[in-house]
Order: sequence, then structure tokens, then C-alpha cells
Amino acid sequence: QQPVQSPQAVILREGEDAVINCSSSKALYSVHWYRQKHGEAPVFLMILLKGGEQKGHEKISASFNEKKQQSSLYLTASQLSYSGTYFCGTDLSGGYNKLIFGAGTRLAVHP
Amino acid sequence: GAGVSQSPSNKVTEKGKDVELRCDPISGHTALYWYRQSLGQGLEFLIYFQGNSAPDKSGLPSDRFSAERTGGSVSTLTIQRTQQEDSAVYLCASKRGNEQFFGPGTRLTVL
Repeated sequence: QQPVQSPQAVILREGEDAVINCSSSKALYSVHWYRQKHGEAPVFLMILLKGGEQKGHEKISASFNEKKQQSSLYLTASQLSYSGTYFCGTDLSGGYNKLIFGAGTRLAVHP
Repeated sequence: GAGVSQSPSNKVTEKGKDVELRCDPISGHTALYWYRQSLGQGLEFLIYFQGNSAPDKSGLPSDRFSAERTGGSVSTLTIQRTQQEDSAVYLCASKRGNEQFFGPGTRLTVL
């Protein structure tokens, strides 16, 4: 049931772009994205509710393909502050009650 | 306003002892979740409370784990007869709308 995230880790130079993918073997009602900086609690980035929906947060956007049961997180012109581990959380129940999180993608942005 | 608080921040215990972890959610948040995060791993769902409804305990790994929520606010996660594999960071989150607000976690080390 755990969604699969790829890649496991990404190393970027400041200003470069990256894509993080999240795919599920189960039908999804929504996908939630969180970022966790080292030693800190996860912080909510965005939720995607409908097929093909896209959202944005700073220069971070995401898409959700309901049919493919996939979501992608796009980080554009990365900043040092983007470093951290990104988790997708999938809601299988439709009530946003219980999220199953992926194993995470570690992102490191260097100057 | 105050965020989610957890106590203790660190707990070291001996194998076989019982431990209690406390979570104070954000005032007014009716939904409360417990997760476990092992070193370098994702967030593993443990249990979910919503208002006065029966909790969703489907993520508890064994009957040594239990949780309660008193008065719809403070929650306590209890682990009986702790084992070394219980060592992890235990995170609590409360929810407003679609967003889960995480506490700083309790780092549990079982020797």
C-alpha cells in the first residue's frame, strides 16, 4: 500500500530543477506533499484533489494524474532552502483521514 | 499560536520497560494522528483519533502499543515491554482542513 517515490535522493546546484515522483498501486482520492528538514517536523506543502490538478507553493508545483495513480512534484530554480526530505502521502479512504506516506526523497541543494 | 507539542523530547529506556509518550494538539483540532519514523525512513501511520469516534488503530504494530485521547485533546501513546526495534521518533499531528500539523516528535531509544 505504501506509495513508491523516486528518485530516492537528488543533489542539485542552486537554480537547477528537479522532479520527484510518487506512484501508488491503489486508486487515490488525494495526494499530500510534505517537506521535512533535518531534525525538524514535516511541514505541509500542498494537497492535490483531482485528476490533472496542479498546485503551486513558492516555485514548487505538483500534478496529480488520477488515472495513472501518480503525482509529481516539480521544483523549479531550486534554492538552498529547498533542501530536505520530501514525502508524498496518499489517501485511499476519501476522507483525508489516514495518509500512507512514501519512504521519502532526499533533496540536497548546494551553492 | 502554539503548535503541537510532545513530551518528552527524548526518552531512553531499557528493554522490557513501559513508556508513555504525550501529545498536546493544537487547540480546536479534532483529528489527531500518531506516526513512527525510524532512522532514515518514512512516516509509518500508527493510530488516528477523530472527535468522539472510535479510533482507527489499524497501524499499531503489535498489542504492546496502545493510545488514548482524553477529553478530545491530549493523547498518550503507551508502549509496553519495549523492544529494541521500537527505537524511533514518534510524531504526533493534529489536523485542520487538509493540513496536518506535526509536533517535534519524541525520540525513543530502547537499550
